Amino acid sequence: DSGVTQTPKHLITATGQRVTLRCSPRSGDLSVYWYQQSLDQGLQFLIHYYNGEERAKGNILERFSAQQFPDLHSELNLSSLELGDSALYFCASSPTGVRSNTEAFFGQGTRLTVV
Amino acid sequence: QQQVKQSPQSLIVQKGGISIINCAYENTAFDYFPWYQQFPGKGPALLIAIRPDVSEKKEGRFTISFNKSAKQFSLHIMDSQPGDSATYFCAASYPGAQKLVFGQGTRLTINP
Repeated sequence: DSGVTQTPKHLITATGQRVTLRCSPRSGDLSVYWYQQSLDQGLQFLIHYYNGEERAKGNILERFSAQQFPDLHSELNLSSLELGDSALYFCASSPTGVRSNTEAFFGQGTRLTVV
Repeated sequence: QQQVKQSPQSLIVQKGGISIINCAYENTAFDYFPWYQQFPGKGPALLIAIRPDVSEKKEGRFTISFNKSAKQFSLHIMDSQPGDSATYFCAASYPGAQKLVFGQGTRLTINP
């Protein structure tokens, strides 16, 4: 158990809908990262938050947004869902965000299926 | 320049054999190179990591070899066991990157 909790584990929704994925980082970790894992794209970085502030954006679609709350949990909002958004979404946390050699701990992921 | 290229995509090794997975990068600012192991239905978990000031790091049956001049690093799994069957990802990061850049992954199967 990495200590990172993601809910829900599975989500099935229809095209055009909006969903919210939730992540609780390890106790004390200030950084939260979101990654998308699809079969043909590997692990793609979406966004990084550190202590409530957005620090880096990757290939995150405009239909997607995220935030980190004062209690450090994070939510990833996906709207106007398309079939191609079906993927595993992982949250990872680490104690800091500015040093590169800090281990990132991954949650078990949310499997999103858009039908 | 942000990419990390990983090969092979899939690998089948007999029990007791050596599994070798390779990664190459372009960005010379990368200074942290972890390998993650992912079992089906689980999130990736850190297996072993190396910094470019050393050429090799060994932890049990797992070894990272690092070639700074060639901008390549590899994971060697000695005495491979069926329990090692998983997907392995190499990754890289640099100060201020605020993220890990992952390779495409290698699905490793160890036949008993």
